[in-house]
Amino acid sequence: DAMVIQNPRYQVTQFGKPVTLSCSQTLNHNVMYWYQQKSSQAPKLLFHYYDKDFNNEADTPDNFQSRRPNTSFCFLDIRSPGLGDAAMYLCATSRDSAGGPDTQYFGPGTRLTVL
Amino acid sequence: GQNIDQPTEMTATEGAIVQINCTYQTSGFNGLFWYQQHAGEAPTFLSYNVLDGLEEKGRFSSFLSRSKGYSYLLLKELQMKDSASYLCAATDSNYQLIWGAGTKLIIKP
Repeated sequence: DAMVIQNPRYQVTQFGKPVTLSCSQTLNHNVMYWYQQKSSQAPKLLFHYYDKDFNNEADTPDNFQSRRPNTSFCFLDIRSPGLGDAAMYLCATSRDSAGGPDTQYFGPGTRLTVL
Repeated sequence: GQNIDQPTEMTATEGAIVQINCTYQTSGFNGLFWYQQHAGEAPTFLSYNVLDGLEEKGRFSSFLSRSKGYSYLLLKELQMKDSASYLCAATDSNYQLIWGAGTKLIIKP
């Protein structure tokens, strides 16, 4: 089945220790997104890519970086995690919104705990 | 600014009907999505409305009024597995999704 895969599902890191979250997709979608979601809050868009074209949201902290080496993979790097970065990180894909709104398909998420 | 409002929490009884409301204010509008999110899991797509009116999909229906900036999700014949958060998300003129915080629906036997 075509899907969006995130690894790991649960990640524990120490305050200030860099961490990388990964996402892969077999949907062959052009657009990939990274969201941060805290409990009972709306998902907050951090980055999105139209193919290799990177789009950084204006209020995404510099502590967060992203890479998309190819169509299938996308990575989220948190350079120095703080306690406030503990959250669920969601990867999503959509076919291509150039012609209109696209349904986004989400991976299962990575729950990050910062000690 | 852009904003989505939906109730924080609702409670309903198994077998009943519940309506979850959503109001939105966006810069331009290109449709509205509803997603279901079970606790600790990712959102899954339920519906998309861009024209006024009601779209029915089995037990779930979604309604849109563009002139009122209003949508609702209607769930019929509620089942325990429908206990989840329901997120409303409106698409602005740049096709970006503006998300609500979700409505937590609690189903009681």
